[in-house]
Parts: sequence; C-alpha cells; structure tokens
Amino acid sequence: AQSVAQPEDQVNVAEGNPLTVKCTYSVSGNPYLFWYVQYPNRGLQFLLKYITGDNLVKGSYGFEAEFNKSQTSFHLKKPSALVSDSALYFCAVRDRRDYGGATNKLIFGTGTLLAVQP
Amino acid sequence: DGGITQSPKYLFRKEGQNVTLSCEQNLNHDAMYWYRQDPGQGLRLIYYSQIVNDFQKGDIAEGYSVSREKKESFPLTVTSAQKNPTAFYLCASSIGFTGGSGANVLTFGAGSRLTVL
Repeated sequence: AQSVAQPEDQVNVAEGNPLTVKCTYSVSGNPYLFWYVQYPNRGLQFLLKYITGDNLVKGSYGFEAEFNKSQTSFHLKKPSALVSDSALYFCAVRDRRDYGGATNKLIFGTGTLLAVQP
Repeated sequence: DGGITQSPKYLFRKEGQNVTLSCEQNLNHDAMYWYRQDPGQGLRLIYYSQIVNDFQKGDIAEGYSVSREKKESFPLTVTSAQKNPTAFYLCASSIGFTGGSGANVLTFGAGSRLTVL
C-alpha cells in the first residue's frame, strides 16, 4: 500500500533561517508526490508536486522540495523562513488502483506544524 | 472566482441526529472528495466521486453517506451511526480522477467543523 510519513510533529525555526520539513514515502511504482499547506481553520492549499523529471521541484511562496529516490524522501525546503510561513504542512502521495493504475486519491501524512519565530 | 464552497463553517449536533454538510464547486471538475481531519491523524478519505451519479467508499465510510446528483454538488451526511463525528471535514475536487501521464491537483474548500454535544 502507498503511504507517506512525516516524522516530525513540529518544526521550529527562526525567521530568516532555512527550513526543512521532512517526508518519506513508500510506494509501488513511480511516486507522484505533493505538498500542501493549511492555515488555521482553513482548507489545504497546493504548494508543489513531483511527477517526473528534475529532482528539485519549485513551488509557491518560495518553497521547493527535493525528491530523493534512494532515500525515498521528498523534503520541503525554503532558504529563508518567514513568520507568515507558520502553518501545518502535509505531504501526500497519489494512490494507485489494485491493478496498478493511478488515481487522484491522495494519501496524506499526519502533518508537521511549522512555527517560525520572529 | 472559481472555487469550492463548504457550508456551514461551524455546526453543532446532538447525539442521534443526522446532519448534512454542503459542498459546491464551480470549477467544472469531474471528481469530488470528502476528507475528515482529526488532530495528529492527518486527512482520511471518507467518500469520493469520479463522475455524476457515481461515488465510492473511501477508507472510513462507515456512518457517512453521500450523493452526486449534480456535477457541482457533493453533499455529505453524517448519520447517527457515526460513533465519533466531531471533526473538521474537508471537501475537495479535481479535474478528473485518473490523470494519465500527469497528476491533477486537488482544490480544497475551507472546511466545516462539526461538534457533537
């Protein structure tokens, strides 16, 4: 079965410092990976996705993610954190049908709360 | 502006009552989804619909029901059979259900918070 894991419940970083939010995956076949962000009492907003191609994916609000096949990881990064980046971040992987075909069902990790201190 | 509208934003229910959460989209998307969010558990899929008049159970469908009579609408009913209904409910949509060589992005509504008293 497809799955993603976010090993950190919370990440604390000072404003201006680089940030990393970790995600590892377990999939059969090629992974389709996503990052979403959720602000308090709101829905999720899409940040970026990896389908194929370059291992470094650039997304919204200055975020990027690095796909590492050997380590089965898809960590979210930003060179310089802002207080406004404080939110809940979810990693997700696209589910696959029993016969191997892709679907748009997403399997989400448990989320990582990012707290950026001024 | 295109998007997904969920209502009500907050809902209180007494035990034993059924409640219906509304989800409307004007994105012309074929596929729609309902997720439940609980602290520390991420998002879990309740039901999804690939096309009008069709829907499938997700991972935690027990105690819930849905309908998809119109492309724009995918209401979720939380029945009295749902043992622990207090949660944040998120509706989402995507252009299609199978993206072929690509992967379609899910667009989410702002959510509905249900509290059972």
